[in-house]
Amino acid sequence: DAGVTQSPTHLIKTRGQHVTLRCSPISGHKSVSWYQQVLGQGPQFIFQYYEKEERGRGNFPDRFSARQFPNYSSELNVNALLLGDSALYLCASRPRRRAHRETQYFGPGTRLLVL
Amino acid sequence: AQKVTQAQTEISVVEKEDVTLDCVYETRDTTYYLFWYKQPPSGELVFLIRRNSFDEQNEISGRYSWNFQKSTSSFNFTITASQVVDSAVYFCALTVTGANSKLTFGKGITLSVRP
Repeated sequence: DAGVTQSPTHLIKTRGQHVTLRCSPISGHKSVSWYQQVLGQGPQFIFQYYEKEERGRGNFPDRFSARQFPNYSSELNVNALLLGDSALYLCASRPRRRAHRETQYFGPGTRLLVL
Repeated sequence: AQKVTQAQTEISVVEKEDVTLDCVYETRDTTYYLFWYKQPPSGELVFLIRRNSFDEQNEISGRYSWNFQKSTSSFNFTITASQVVDSAVYFCALTVTGANSKLTFGKGITLSVRP
């Protein structure tokens, strides 16, 4: 089975622009989470979506938004980009089976550079 | 609130040496899950092991083993007979039941295995 996929792999934007990142979960997974990882740090939780509804949000400004589609894929949107938004953005999906409910599987990430 | 501390930042060993990565966590929840993820230079977080708070049995899986001790809030990870391919950043992470699957990560440990 295919793992979590993300697009694009790399992106360069300038300050003030808007960006959309995309994620497709593992087949059968209904939960998608987004994380931001700045250089030298561990990933930080941004959002979780389950069954197309936002179920959790981390400590990020309103410039960050997301949505989940009927096929369970997801988009992360960031408006008014700042230099500090430069990071690796990771998407993770979670299995349906209760026994493995809390294990998340990550995609390869999108590297965003804001100039 | 949850917290994960990985006091080691960088470890360098020679191939075939054993190496232990330390992790200390904080949570007030009685039900929680602990994880180790590996992040190679490609960026994708690879799931290694998962432990729930009710199971302190320590196990060995191939060259990997872990030592979970609730009394000291530690979840250490050992690689036996390290190989060059083990070179990566290793993250310890924690989630609590019902926390919308938010993972709290440590800052990571960079492991370099020299031939």
